[in-house]
Amino acid sequence: QKEVEQDPGPLSVPEGAIVSLNCTYSNSAFQYFMWYRQYSRKGPELLMYTYSSGNKEDGRFTAQVDKSSKYISLFIRDSQPSDSATYLCAMSEGAQKLVFGQGTRLTINP
Amino acid sequence: DGGITQSPKYLFRKEGQNVTLSCEQNLNHDAMYWYRQDPGQGLRLIYYSQIVNDFQKGDIAEGYSVSREKKESFPLTVTSAQKNPTAFYLCASSISVAANEQFFGPGTRLTVL
Repeated sequence: QKEVEQDPGPLSVPEGAIVSLNCTYSNSAFQYFMWYRQYSRKGPELLMYTYSSGNKEDGRFTAQVDKSSKYISLFIRDSQPSDSATYLCAMSEGAQKLVFGQGTRLTINP
Repeated sequence: DGGITQSPKYLFRKEGQNVTLSCEQNLNHDAMYWYRQDPGQGLRLIYYSQIVNDFQKGDIAEGYSVSREKKESFPLTVTSAQKNPTAFYLCASSISVAANEQFFGPGTRLTVL
């Protein structure tokens, strides 16, 4: 079993929809959680960073962490075609290497 | 502009050759990392460096080598011992290895002919 599981998709939704992206993990010591956005043939870009459980909002993006369920989510409101990318979750115990999910490929259709 | 640069963007290698991928950062970050990304897979850590003249193996170090002679530079050599080197290679940096936020370069796509 992988330490971090992420549905690879692909996920295709119409413009304006709410998108939910998820990762599950098995290591209860993970405390730091990140979401990266990666456009085709580009390097990943840090989108959201959260510590421990709870929610964090930044514009149209909301990151949720539920440590009791070992489950994290990224919500995108009012999705735009420019949001089409691969989204990678990543997590760490702190001062340790990042462990990445395999990424979810998302397409927003105009 | 502060950031991470990688060169070249595309690299072609014949079997049996060593090639070196360049990574430079002007963010004044202490820690630097090399990852490999294969289609449909997450990033896998090859090597990382906490400070100059120090580096540690990651999960898939076999067939790769690195050096860290300057804070700004962390080149990766893909040797002929790497059996399946065709992949997308990403360099990243962070303020320190204790900082979890890593910032990535644009990547180098290596293809073995």
